Amino acid sequence: DSGVTQTPKHLITATGQRVTLRCSPRSGDLSVYWYQQSLDQGLQFLIQYYNGEERAKGNILERFSAQQFPDLHSELNLSSLELGDSALYFCASSVDIGVSGNTIYFGEGSWLTVV
Amino acid sequence: GQNIDQPTEMTATEGAIVQINCTYQTSGFNGLFWYQQHAGEAPTFLSYNVLDGLEEKGRFSSFLSRSKGYSYLLLKELQMKDSASYLCAVRDQGGATNKLIFGTGTLLAVQP
Repeated sequence: DSGVTQTPKHLITATGQRVTLRCSPRSGDLSVYWYQQSLDQGLQFLIQYYNGEERAKGNILERFSAQQFPDLHSELNLSSLELGDSALYFCASSVDIGVSGNTIYFGEGSWLTVV
Repeated sequence: GQNIDQPTEMTATEGAIVQINCTYQTSGFNGLFWYQQHAGEAPTFLSYNVLDGLEEKGRFSSFLSRSKGYSYLLLKELQMKDSASYLCAVRDQGGATNKLIFGTGTLLAVQP
């Protein structure tokens, strides 16, 4: 158990709908990262937050958005869902930015199936 | 740009040694990580290299050459449970972020 908690674990929804994925980082971790992993594809970086502020943005679609709240938990919002959005979405956390060697720990992921 | 290359698949025999290579070309570099991922599960941290050389941790070792943009993960005394995908990732130090950029992973099958 990495200490990173994600909900829900599984989600099935229809095209055009909107879903919210939730993440609680490890205790003491200030950075939260969101990654997408589609079938047979590698982990694609979506976005990073540090202590409530956006710090880096990857190939995140405009239909997707995220935020980190004062208690450091984060939410990833996916809207106008398409079949191609079906994937495993991982949240990860780390202690701090700029600390050499600090490791990123992953949650168990949220399986999203769009039908 | 960011480019991380690993072999797609490898097969090895239980009890043997296997080396998984990774080459990278990234705009920034602040360390290289190896993760293990079983199908449908979370990636789990295996090793970290930021300086050239070999880091050993039990049955797993990882090597880095920054001048060559090259790393490998060495797995000894292979066990069936080592069958998994192995992900090479580079920590990007562009700007104020330490995000990890991942390769597509190497799927290792350990056979009896």
